[in-house]
Amino acid sequence: AQKVTQAQTEISVVEKEDVTLDCVYETRDTTYYLFWYKQPPSGELVFLIRRNSFDEQNEISGRYSWNFQKSTSSFNFTITASQVVDSAVYFCACGNRDDKIIFGKGTRLHILP
Amino acid sequence: GAVVSQHPSWVICKSGTSVKIECRSLDFQATTMFWYRQFPKQSLMLMATSNEGSKATYEQGVEKDKFLINHASLTLSTLTVTSAHPEDSSFYICSARAYLGPIRAYNEQFFGPGTRLTVL
Repeated sequence: AQKVTQAQTEISVVEKEDVTLDCVYETRDTTYYLFWYKQPPSGELVFLIRRNSFDEQNEISGRYSWNFQKSTSSFNFTITASQVVDSAVYFCACGNRDDKIIFGKGTRLHILP
Repeated sequence: GAVVSQHPSWVICKSGTSVKIECRSLDFQATTMFWYRQFPKQSLMLMATSNEGSKATYEQGVEKDKFLINHASLTLSTLTVTSAHPEDSSFYICSARAYLGPIRAYNEQFFGPGTRLTVL
């Protein structure tokens, strides 16, 4: 079974600042997948990224970037030049190919204007 | 892209009544659907895994007689909260997994928009 820890419960930053959301995972599987989801106030989950355990390359998508380090079992998410629209709850999650996805407790991000 | 719908999007009911929530995969077949529950300001907790044509598998601590799951077709799973009480008030989210064949490394899961249940 997987376990995901998001130690930051809530973060507030001023608009245009960079912010990093931490995620540490535990799994016994050699093949696993890591995810980040955004949940705005509407409640609907927005898929951001999926990474498999064999691909440690960092990824950048616009203002978003992800740092995957197997050595520390971490999959951190950075928002560069944050905007008010980035305010949401962000969930890190872990799963394997054929099984359920386990979510962390989430980090509530407030971007202050 | 793959779309998963849920109906209703919100429901208010009286204590003691039963409520049915539908989860549909609109443009793909889902052999497996998952049901999650999310209390305010908390994480998504998996309740059960539903496979088409077979009984659902419930997570530890989830009452199967209270949360009835039916996955009668490859595009529809239903969750019925029986004899609902105020403590069942929550946000219920389903996800549907598309089976893309044995060659694909990962069978993508797609989440529905959620159903907010309020029991008075």
